[in-house]
Amino acid sequence: GENVEQHPSTLSVQEGDSAVIKCTYSDSASNYFPWYKQELGKRPQLIIDIRSNVGEKKDQRIAVTLNKTAKHFSLHITETQPEDSAVYFCAAIPGNQFYFGTGTSLTVIP
Amino acid sequence: DAGVIQSPRHEVTEMGQEVTLRCKPISGHDYLFWYRQTMMRGLELLIYFNNNVPIDDSGMPEDRFSAKMPNASFSTLKIQPSEPRDSAVYFCASSTHGVRQPQHFGDGTRLSIL
Repeated sequence: GENVEQHPSTLSVQEGDSAVIKCTYSDSASNYFPWYKQELGKRPQLIIDIRSNVGEKKDQRIAVTLNKTAKHFSLHITETQPEDSAVYFCAAIPGNQFYFGTGTSLTVIP
Repeated sequence: DAGVIQSPRHEVTEMGQEVTLRCKPISGHDYLFWYRQTMMRGLELLIYFNNNVPIDDSGMPEDRFSAKMPNASFSTLKIQPSEPRDSAVYFCASSTHGVRQPQHFGDGTRLSIL
């Protein structure tokens, strides 16, 4: 089956700096890669996703890049704000299964 | 749109008791997912349904767990008998047009088995 590794597990950045979270996957059949944000005590919410037919997708301060050859994809948050503090999960979907990374706890220091 | 609705929000019960978690997906969504989240194991997919039919239950931990979807607007996840290691937050999510689509999560049920 698929194996999704996510790094780092924790990340602290100063407000205004950028944050990058990286995920690697093993199954070349994976073709959909969503990112979810989960604030403390809340439900996961989709923030951005990318499909294997594109290499990059951007939505305001958030972007995701995909390298199919190397089997990794990354979440980029620019101009971080305190409200970006949360746990971020990546996922990879090969076929009909759904595999989540272990999460990155991001803290944005005001 | 009311979103995915889960009940109860919190459940505390003694081991050995039967626990039933409930979920109402977003109207029109034909996929429903049940997840379990713990500190140790993260977010795990337990089972998902398409058009009320279970498609993949390979994540269900053992026979004590069962899930049903009797109609398009209701699903249950049952644990019988419950054990302390079942303590977790259980999320339900729904989506439309397949697993390669954004999922909308409910607020979860925080389950504590004493």
